[in-house]
Amino acid sequence: NAGVTQTPKFQVLKTGQSMTLQCAQDMNHEYMSWYRQDPGMGLRLIHYSVGAGITDQGEVPNGYNVSRSTTEDFPLRLLSAAPSQTSVYFCASSRFSGLYSNQPQHFGDGTRLSIL
Amino acid sequence: DQQVKQNSPSLSVQEGRISILNCDYTNSMFDYFLWYKKYPAEGPTFLISISSIKDKNEDGRFTVFLNKSAKHLSLHIVPSQPGDSAVYFCAASAAGANSKLTFGKGITLSVRP
Repeated sequence: NAGVTQTPKFQVLKTGQSMTLQCAQDMNHEYMSWYRQDPGMGLRLIHYSVGAGITDQGEVPNGYNVSRSTTEDFPLRLLSAAPSQTSVYFCASSRFSGLYSNQPQHFGDGTRLSIL
Repeated sequence: DQQVKQNSPSLSVQEGRISILNCDYTNSMFDYFLWYKKYPAEGPTFLISISSIKDKNEDGRFTVFLNKSAKHLSLHIVPSQPGDSAVYFCAASAAGANSKLTFGKGITLSVRP
């Protein structure tokens, strides 16, 4: 049971390039999300999804796009990379129990992204 | 404006002693609180949680206490072990918020042998 798998683990981009960070989970979780972790900032929510075909913005969505065509996959797209997007990105998933959702989220091991 | 605050960036304790990690929050709508542990180059892993209807939850060496009136929670680790050395994140969510977690900045715990 792989849990949450993120690829790639490391990536270096030039300013203006685009790329997609991949996230896949094999736990049949409805809820998936993307966070970024910056030094001294904790984890901040970028985008999330409560099921296939449904996505919404988190705290810091600008410069990122997401889609959820299947339950298993939740890719994060950087449209035009900027140095401010240098960060460690974590994908997470959990069961979604509706209005009073309180299921712990399972995290992948992260993608370390550097924008030059 | 940080809604979840972990004001102490680091904590060092002797092996076998108690570790107390503190967390404060400002949003009165938060009703579910979690602690995550993170080792370098790994993702955060869920440690323990507490609902606002409780004031204490225990799991082995880990106990979380919640003081709603003070908007404060703490994680107690007894006894502390060197393998507990990691970054600990406090997180909170509000009912109806679609599992959106708000994280604190984290506390680096070092347990000295």
